[in-house]
Amino acid sequence: DVVLTQTPPTLSATIGQSVSISCRSSQSLLDSDGDTYLNWLLQRPGQSPQLLIYSVSNLESGVPNRFSGSGSETDFTLKISGVEAEDLGVYYCMQATHAPLTFGSGTKLEIK
Amino acid sequence: EVKLVESGGGLVQPGRSLKLSCAASGFSFNDYWMGWVRQAPGKGLEWIGEINQDSSTINYTPSLKDKFTISRDNAQNTLYLQMSKLGSEDTAIYYCAFNWFAYWGQGTLVTVSS
Repeated sequence: DVVLTQTPPTLSATIGQSVSISCRSSQSLLDSDGDTYLNWLLQRPGQSPQLLIYSVSNLESGVPNRFSGSGSETDFTLKISGVEAEDLGVYYCMQATHAPLTFGSGTKLEIK
Repeated sequence: EVKLVESGGGLVQPGRSLKLSCAASGFSFNDYWMGWVRQAPGKGLEWIGEINQDSSTINYTPSLKDKFTISRDNAQNTLYLQMSKLGSEDTAIYYCAFNWFAYWGQGTLVTVSS
């Protein structure tokens, strides 16, 4: 199975600060069809996960543009440009290029 | 409005079976792959599996393939998860999701305990 390693496991930020979360894959996530199936999700406390970014860098409808994704092959980054209070929660990367689909272990964002 | 509502969770004894349902509304259910994801208390997300539109393709994470069965009823707009030989390790919130995880239900809690 593909292992996704997220760092850091915990992140503490002040309102307005920009932060980045890394997701490294044990295998290239570039699919034979040319797409890279790496998504980012946010799970706020007590809520279901929410899709933020799909296929590395595409912003899901309704998601604020302070969220952005980048990367390729095995190294991916989620950036939040100007953290807001509502951004607290656990961020997960997930891959769907290789079966079975797998998730990263999560990065918990705390607001100082 | 797109809605996914899971049901069927609860307390179940070890070794028993349980069937979860996910009622879908607000979209054309039979146009989409559907899937299940679970989350043990205080832990991360674990993909269980997925089913295509006409049930001709069903994929599972290997470790759960012999215990869990995914099915769907397009006439009832409902997704199912049949779980057997349950153990304490299966205690989790079970979510249904679709459209590359753009939509999730609220989850249903399954607790396996004697």
